[in-house]
Amino acid sequence: GIQVEQSPPDLILQEGANSTLRCNFSDSVNNLQWFHQNPWGQLINLFYIPSGTKQNGRLSATTVATERYSLLYISSSQTTDSGVYFCAVEQGSTGNKLVFGAGTILRVKS
Amino acid sequence: NAGVTQTPKFRVLKTGQSMTLLCAQDMNHEYMYWYRQDPGMGLRLIHYSVGEGTTAKGEVPDGYNVSRLKKQNFLLGLESAAPSQTSVYFCASRPLGLAGEETQYFGPGTRLLVL
Repeated sequence: GIQVEQSPPDLILQEGANSTLRCNFSDSVNNLQWFHQNPWGQLINLFYIPSGTKQNGRLSATTVATERYSLLYISSSQTTDSGVYFCAVEQGSTGNKLVFGAGTILRVKS
Repeated sequence: NAGVTQTPKFRVLKTGQSMTLLCAQDMNHEYMYWYRQDPGMGLRLIHYSVGEGTTAKGEVPDGYNVSRLKKQNFLLGLESAAPSQTSVYFCASRPLGLAGEETQYFGPGTRLLVL
C-alpha cells in the first residue's frame, strides 16, 4: 500500500518562530489532508489540499502532487500550535479511505 | 449541530469482556469510519461504511466487528477484548465526493484500556 512519511518527527520552537513540516507519499493520490491533534486529543481539520497552495491565517500548505510531497508552513508560532500534525492521503479506492503518516510532534515554548 | 459524537469517552475492560462503541453524526454524511491510534503512530483504519447497511474491512479489522443499521450511527464491537486492543478509538464521517467537501470530520475519541 501507499507509504506516508512525515518529517521531522519532533520539533521544538520558540514562540514567534516559523516552521515547515513535510509529508512525502509513495504513490499518486486523490486527496491530501493536514490535521492538528491538540494536547487534549481532538483532531482538527487544517487543510484539504490535493494540489496547489492554500492559506488560513498563520498556516499555509502546498502540495506538489507530481513530486509526491506536501508542506505545511506555520508562521509566528504560538503555544496553542503545540500538538501533533498529521498528513493523510487518499487514493482512488472505494470508501475514500485515508492513510495517515506517523505525525510531527510540535512543541512551542513561550 | 453536534458534528461527530462518540460514546463512551473512556472505558476499562478486563480481558475477554465485550463492549460496543457508538459513533453518531448529525451531518447526513454517507461515509463513516473507525480508526485506532496507538502511541507514536498515526491513525489506522479498522472498518468503514459507504452507506446505511454496508460495512467493509480496513487495515486492521481483526478482533472487531461493525454495524451501520442507521445512516447516522456506526457501531464498533469488541467481542472478546485483548490487551492489544488498548488504544484510542476515533470515529469519522465524510460526505459524498462533492468538490471541496471531501474532508473527514472526527469525533473526540474513546480511550479504551484492556487489563
